[in-house]
Amino acid sequence: EDKVVQSPLSLVVHEGDTVTLNCSYEVTNFRSLLWYKQEKKAPTFLFMLTSSGIEKKSGRLSSILDKKELFSILNITATQTGDSAVYLCAVLAGTASKLTFGTGTRLQVTL
Amino acid sequence: GAVVSQHPSWVICKSGTSVKIECRSLDFQATTMFWYRQFPKQSLMLMATSNEGSKATYEQGVEKDKFLINHASLTLSTLTVTSAHPEDSSFYICSALRGAPTYEQYFGPGTRLTVT
Repeated sequence: EDKVVQSPLSLVVHEGDTVTLNCSYEVTNFRSLLWYKQEKKAPTFLFMLTSSGIEKKSGRLSSILDKKELFSILNITATQTGDSAVYLCAVLAGTASKLTFGTGTRLQVTL
Repeated sequence: GAVVSQHPSWVICKSGTSVKIECRSLDFQATTMFWYRQFPKQSLMLMATSNEGSKATYEQGVEKDKFLINHASLTLSTLTVTSAHPEDSSFYICSALRGAPTYEQYFGPGTRLTVT
């Protein structure tokens, strides 16, 4: 059974801090790993990672995948209160295009 | 980006009644859509894969007779929760799979179901 584990489960930081969120996986026929941000509604897409070692960046967010060690990290620098959300990691595996989600990391950024 | 809508956004129903939730891809055709359920403070759990023109594929532990899925067209999938009970109260989210070249899933905004 495919498995995706995120850590930490929950995190509280001060505005301006840098955070690193972790995602490890055990799946059969890995295709890609995706990061989503979920506030009150459905997840919004952040990154899709397919190749090892290539960092993807979008503003203050960046992510990288290590296919040898089977994990990915999501970095957020200079955090803002608007970054408060649940960050979900999901892995696309097999031919059926099904996503397996991790439990998520709840990030709270305080003033 | 692609747009997926869900209707209704929020529904409250009485125990024993059935509720239908619609998922539409507004600007692309989706032969495959997915239905997820999310309980409070938990992650998304895939319930079923909906394929246009054929039967849905349900994940282990999901009752196909309780959660009826119909993917009648390339832009519409419906999930009907039959004989709803309070334990069915949850956030239901659909996603639509876009074809080549991206094969990305686009999520709808979700439907919050409360069964009283």
